[in-house]
Amino acid sequence: DVKVTQSSRYLVKRTGEKVFLECVQDMDHENMFWYRQDPGLGLRLIYFSYDVKMKEKGDIPEGYSVSREKKERFSLILESASTNQTSMYLCASQLGHRDEQYFGPGTRLTVT
Amino acid sequence: AQTVTQSQPEMSVQEAETVTLSCTYDTSESDYYLFWYKQPPSRQMILVIRQEAYKQQNATENRFSVNFQKAAKSFSLKISDSQLGDAAMYFCAYRSAGDDKIIFGKGTRLHILP
Repeated sequence: DVKVTQSSRYLVKRTGEKVFLECVQDMDHENMFWYRQDPGLGLRLIYFSYDVKMKEKGDIPEGYSVSREKKERFSLILESASTNQTSMYLCASQLGHRDEQYFGPGTRLTVT
Repeated sequence: AQTVTQSQPEMSVQEAETVTLSCTYDTSESDYYLFWYKQPPSRQMILVIRQEAYKQQNATENRFSVNFQKAAKSFSLKISDSQLGDAAMYFCAYRSAGDDKIIFGKGTRLHILP
């Protein structure tokens, strides 16, 4: 059974903190994605990766970076968290570009 | 650039009845995929149904079916015999055949009335 896990369901951080969101998939998928979900805006792509150590900017990469040192793990990094980064963050993985994306349960991040 | 539009932010339907969620998209490409994703209150997003643009036949998955109108760039989701477990946020999504990225609509929140 397909499984995508995210390290935290809820996270509260202070402005200026460095924040790591972890995503792990156990399906040997090539592609992994980070989205943020905001009411009325749907899902917006932050970054994605199609291979280890490879990354591509999505539609809203500003204020974020990513790391993919191993195939199964894709990390989203907020170098200096700001209140406008309060959001739901969803990770997804995909076997190949013709396949569906499988989503994790999401991390609700609050930056105060 | 491709766009996906869901014009209904919220909808309600009586249990056991049928409801249709609307979606339109804009693209200049001929080979692409369309999806409906469901996100229940517990938040894990799952794929409901998928349609390849080159297939004329509308996709069906049990109580879920689509009305794919390629010329009109319309992709609506019909849910028959609505159940309480169908209550969720539904996202329409588009992906070009040669691309990894999916473009999502803003979602429609569906309420099921008992």
